[in-house]
Amino acid sequence: AAGVIQSPRHLIKEKRETATLKCYPIPRHDTVYWYQQGPGQDPQFLISFYEKMQSDKGSIPDRFSAQQFSDYHSELNMSSLELGDSALYFCASSKGTSGTDTQYFGPGTRLTVL
Amino acid sequence: GQSLEQPSEVTAVEGAIVQINCTYQTSGFYGLSWYQQHDGGAPTFLSYNALDGLEETGRFSSFLSRSDSYGYLLLQELQMKDSASYFCAASGSARQLTFGSGTQLTVLP
Repeated sequence: AAGVIQSPRHLIKEKRETATLKCYPIPRHDTVYWYQQGPGQDPQFLISFYEKMQSDKGSIPDRFSAQQFSDYHSELNMSSLELGDSALYFCASSKGTSGTDTQYFGPGTRLTVL
Repeated sequence: GQSLEQPSEVTAVEGAIVQINCTYQTSGFYGLSWYQQHDGGAPTFLSYNALDGLEETGRFSSFLSRSDSYGYLLLQELQMKDSASYFCAASGSARQLTFGSGTQLTVLP
């Protein structure tokens, strides 16, 4: 079965640079979620989209923005990168927006900020 | 908001049974999910409980008691490959998942 695809899998950036992470949800899934997971931490919710509209917002810094496109893929844009942004970034997708809809996670993008 | 508590570490031997508990404090609680995560890997969905009771999926079972704000994940016939972090996660009216801090399970030969 098709899974969530994320690219790139690894990304190395310098401080103050920008980064763009991409997520391709499972086919026919209409909701995308972004999570950030620091070393030894649990995943923290950043933002979600349903039918190309922002659905919920979590602890996403103002330096970050995201959107969902007409083909349902999503991009997370990160500017003025800081050392503390080094983390695993996961995208998850679900079909529907009910709190009971199972979220399936992609393999993640490991961002390292030097 | 939501907060979840689970033990930080559990150790068991191959073939044994282990239970990982999770207590939660939430508003607008819909259900409790369990995810497995190997080092550097993606959280993998294991089980979901919306109603009280036991859900069984192969060697894994999950239980929920809404009145006690408590759930657990039961792993039977432990295998070495089960060594991983296990997260409980609550979903609510805000549809994002709120994760517990994770339980590191170590399976010994």
